[in-house]
Amino acid sequence: NAGVTQTPKFQVLKTGQSMTLQCAQDMNHEYMSWYRQDPGMGLRLIHYSVGAGITDQGEVPNGYNVSRSTTEDFPLRLLSAAPSQTSVYFCASSYSISGPGNTIYFGEGSWLTVV
Amino acid sequence: GENVEQHPSTLSVQEGDSAVIKCTYSDSASNYFPWYKQELGKGPQLIIDIRSNVGEKKDQRIAVTLNKTAKHFSLHITETQPEDSAVYFCAASYGQNFVFGPGTRLSVLP
Repeated sequence: NAGVTQTPKFQVLKTGQSMTLQCAQDMNHEYMSWYRQDPGMGLRLIHYSVGAGITDQGEVPNGYNVSRSTTEDFPLRLLSAAPSQTSVYFCASSYSISGPGNTIYFGEGSWLTVV
Repeated sequence: GENVEQHPSTLSVQEGDSAVIKCTYSDSASNYFPWYKQELGKGPQLIIDIRSNVGEKKDQRIAVTLNKTAKHFSLHITETQPEDSAVYFCAASYGQNFVFGPGTRLSVLP
């Protein structure tokens, strides 16, 4: 049971390049989400999914795309990287949608630098 | 929408002393408040949580209190140890998701 696995751990991109951050969970969780973490700003929600085939926007969705073709995988795509997307990205999952007692499990993070 | 504030942003305590981190939220519909601990280079991990129908919850050296009327909740760590050094995030449920506070960096000095 690996929990939430993110790859890559570190990535440097040039402005305008595209890339995909991979996320997989092996806990059969319905709910998955992507956050970005910036200094002094906590964790901000980018996109989330309440089940396979269902995705929705969070607080800061611009510049990112997601899809959820399987329960296990929830990749995050950067369409045309910009320096403002330099951040640490966390994938997370939980058994159901957020609410009392519904623990969210986070991955180890992906450090992305856009130059 | 929901807004969560967290204070202080940094906190240094001597080993063995207590530490208190406070959060306020704006949406009275929020009903679940988890706290996460993030160690260097790792993802956040849940350490304790509280539901809106409970005023206080304790787990060994960690406790959380909630004041629904004032819309604030606090994390209390007693008998701090060096391994408590980390960044702590509070969060409030908001619809299908959570809104996180900006974090508190706790340093426990030996």
